[in-house]
Amino acid sequence: QKEVEQDPGPLSVPEGAIVSLNCTYSNSAFQYFMWYRQYSRKGPELLMYTYSSGNKEDGRFTAQVDKSSKYISLFIRDSQPSDSATYLCAMSLRSNTGKLIFGQGTTLQVKP
Amino acid sequence: DTAVSQTPKYLVTQMGNDKSIKCEQNLGHDTMYWYKQDSKKFLKIMFSYNNKELIINETVPNRFSPKSPDKAHLNLHINSLELGDSAVYFCASSQGGEAFFGQGTRLTVV
Repeated sequence: QKEVEQDPGPLSVPEGAIVSLNCTYSNSAFQYFMWYRQYSRKGPELLMYTYSSGNKEDGRFTAQVDKSSKYISLFIRDSQPSDSATYLCAMSLRSNTGKLIFGQGTTLQVKP
Repeated sequence: DTAVSQTPKYLVTQMGNDKSIKCEQNLGHDTMYWYKQDSKKFLKIMFSYNNKELIINETVPNRFSPKSPDKAHLNLHINSLELGDSAVYFCASSQGGEAFFGQGTRLTVV
């Protein structure tokens, strides 16, 4: 069993839809949770960063962490064609020197 | 001004050659990493350095040797390249949890 599981998709939605991306994990010691967006042939770009459980909102993006269920989510409201990319969840045990464990990534296509 | 920059962006080479990838960060971070992304886009850590000291060395063949001359630079040297080394290699840096990635080096071994 992988430490972090993420549905690879692809996920195709119409413009304006609400998108829900999810990851589950097995290691209850993870403390830091991140979502990255990666466009084709580009490096991963940090979207959201949360510590422990709770919600965090940034514009059209909301990240949720439920440590009791070992489940994290990223919601995208009013999705745009420019949101079409691969979304990677990542988590680590501790800050700074801790390695990131990534999910497989979910490919999202938002159709105009 | 690019935060984490890698060179070269593309690298095509023959089996058996030795090659290096360079990385520099201007964020003032203490920790730098090398990650490998396979053809299915799965990202996996290879090495991590904190203030020039190696702190993470995953199960990587010893043909791969990282070097950090100072905390702003982390290079990756690969000896005797094999077909299976073909992948995208990303450098990253962090200071407090989240990591910032470079644009990647697409290595193709023929």
